[in-house]
Amino acid sequence: AQSVTQLGSHVSVSEGALVLLRCNYSSSVPPYLFWYVQYPNQGLQLLLKYTTGATLVKGINGFEAEFKKSETSFHLTKPSAHMSDAAEYFCAVSPFNFGNEKLTFGTGTRLTIIP
Amino acid sequence: DSGVTQTPKHLITATGQRVTLRCSPRSGDLSVYWYQQSLDQGLQFLIQYYNGEERAKGNILERFSAQQFPDLHSELNLSSLELGDSALYFCASSVAKVGYNEQFFGPGTRLTVL
Repeated sequence: AQSVTQLGSHVSVSEGALVLLRCNYSSSVPPYLFWYVQYPNQGLQLLLKYTTGATLVKGINGFEAEFKKSETSFHLTKPSAHMSDAAEYFCAVSPFNFGNEKLTFGTGTRLTIIP
Repeated sequence: DSGVTQTPKHLITATGQRVTLRCSPRSGDLSVYWYQQSLDQGLQFLIQYYNGEERAKGNILERFSAQQFPDLHSELNLSSLELGDSALYFCASSVAKVGYNEQFFGPGTRLTVL
């Protein structure tokens, strides 16, 4: 079974400050890892994904995440927060095998940007 | 715009009723997934179809069923609705081929059961 834990249901940062959203996963098989963003009254948009290869992955809107197997973590960062980053962020995991691609989501982190 | 379409956007109905939610995947995607997002349960995987066949099942109630048609669109049927079924229902699609599993989400259908 796979699971995801997102530390902090609410995070507030000042505009221009570093954004750090934490995600830890549990998986008995090598995982695929994802970060999705959900703006109010909208669907989920993929920010970035880790499948294999380079452990530091870059996504859209200046976000990046680093896969650390030893820490079972996949934290999301952005060097400088922008007002438009205010949204809910979900970390997700899926198995690394064809035929079972369901996403297991964390409980989400609501990011607030302080002007 | 992800390329995944869902209809209707909003649905208000009464307890005990039955509704059908529709999803059209991105062009070329063979796999469709249904997820439920509620305040109580968060985002939960319900069911996956691949090229017309059921591929995986999650926490889907027996009152709920789904199918994928030859043109690859999918429908999620919810029956004997209860207040607790009020939620946002998302459809996602992917090519679902070996080594690649990026799911693209539709805008969702917000179901309100009164």
